[in-house]
Amino acid sequence: NAGVTQTPKFRVLKTGQSMTLLCAQDMNHEYMYWYRQDPGMGLRLIHYSVGEGTTAKGEVPDGYNVSRLKKQNFLLGLESAAPSQTSVYFCASSYSERGAGNIQYFGAGTRLSVL
Amino acid sequence: KQEVTQIPAALSVPEGENLVLNCSFTDSAIYNLQWFRQDPGKGLTSLLLIQSSQREQTSGRLNASLDKSSGRSTLYIAASQPGDSATYLCAVGTSGTYKYIFGTGTRLKVLA
Repeated sequence: NAGVTQTPKFRVLKTGQSMTLLCAQDMNHEYMYWYRQDPGMGLRLIHYSVGEGTTAKGEVPDGYNVSRLKKQNFLLGLESAAPSQTSVYFCASSYSERGAGNIQYFGAGTRLSVL
Repeated sequence: KQEVTQIPAALSVPEGENLVLNCSFTDSAIYNLQWFRQDPGKGLTSLLLIQSSQREQTSGRLNASLDKSSGRSTLYIAASQPGDSATYLCAVGTSGTYKYIFGTGTRLKVLA
């Protein structure tokens, strides 16, 4: 049981390049989230999804796009990377928004540097 | 807009000490509150989840309390051990949404 798996673990981009971060969960969770973590700012929600085929904006969505074509996968895309997007990116999933199902399970993170 | 604050930002204690970590939030209309542990270079692990209707939750040496009216939650760690060294984050679930607002965390170091 792998839980939440993020790919890749590390990446260095040049300004203007594009990339896609992949998040996969094997727990049959409905809800999936992308966060970024920056020093002194805690985790901030980028986008989230409440089910296959749905996505919604979080707190800091600008410069990012997401897709949830399959229930188990949640992709985060950077179309034109900027140095301000240097961060650690975390994916999380949860079974539901209610009760104990709302416990969020996190991946190990992707460290992205944009030069 | 909900804001979540954790003070202190860092804490060092000797092994065996009981300690309390604090989390405060500005909007009492919360759905639930979670406490997480994060080890360096790793993801977050959920420790305790408190629903808005609950006052506290316990798991082993950990006890989390919630006082919505005062906008505060505390995480109590009994008989601390060096293995408890990590960053502890609280996250507030907002009513009517699926979003969590995170605090910036308290970095705990337990000295052997």
